[in-house]
Amino acid sequence: SQKIEQNSEALNIQEGKTATLTCNYTNYSPAYLQWYRQDPGRGPVFLLLIRENEKEKRKERLKVTFDTTLKQSLFHITASQPADSATYLCAGMDSSYKLIFGSGTRLLVRP
Amino acid sequence: DAGVIQSPRHEVTEMGQEVTLRCKPISGHNSLFWYRQTMMRGLELLIYFNNNVPIDDSGMPEDRFSAKMPNASFSTLKIQPSEPRDSAVYFCASNGGLQETQYFGPGTRLLVL
Repeated sequence: SQKIEQNSEALNIQEGKTATLTCNYTNYSPAYLQWYRQDPGRGPVFLLLIRENEKEKRKERLKVTFDTTLKQSLFHITASQPADSATYLCAGMDSSYKLIFGSGTRLLVRP
Repeated sequence: DAGVIQSPRHEVTEMGQEVTLRCKPISGHNSLFWYRQTMMRGLELLIYFNNNVPIDDSGMPEDRFSAKMPNASFSTLKIQPSEPRDSAVYFCASNGGLQETQYFGPGTRLLVL
């Protein structure tokens, strides 16, 4: 079955460092991948979208890459801040326009 | 814009009772999605509508679940009868086209005792 896999272990980093989260997809080739942020008790909030023909996308301190050979997307937050602490979800769209979400990676940025 | 509106925000009910969750999408959006989120299974798509028509309900777990979208500004997700394993957070999301990013509501936290 089509799957999006993210590291279930929390990522704990020091403020100011770069956080890197990984998303791997299996059994399908999404036309694009989306990254969402989810805070406790709230719905996911869209951050970035990257298409399969794009290698890299940036938005302020965020950067996303899409490697169709490795079937992987990396999500980077540079100069991380405690306010970046949240769960980050990766989602890939399948051929029927459904978004398949990963289980998310929790990021904790220590002051 | 008020964003996607869901009600109720919290629901506690007893096994066997009917539960109705409600969603008002963002005005002008023509696609609406219902998701369920649990610790074990993450965020799962249950059903989605385009222009008020159900397009794919393959994620609906069983016949106890049903969803309707009588008009462009309102949708319901009904569980009848509810069971403890239905306890989860249910999200509604909308967007302006099937390939666009989705805007999520705050969710309804359902607890079935």
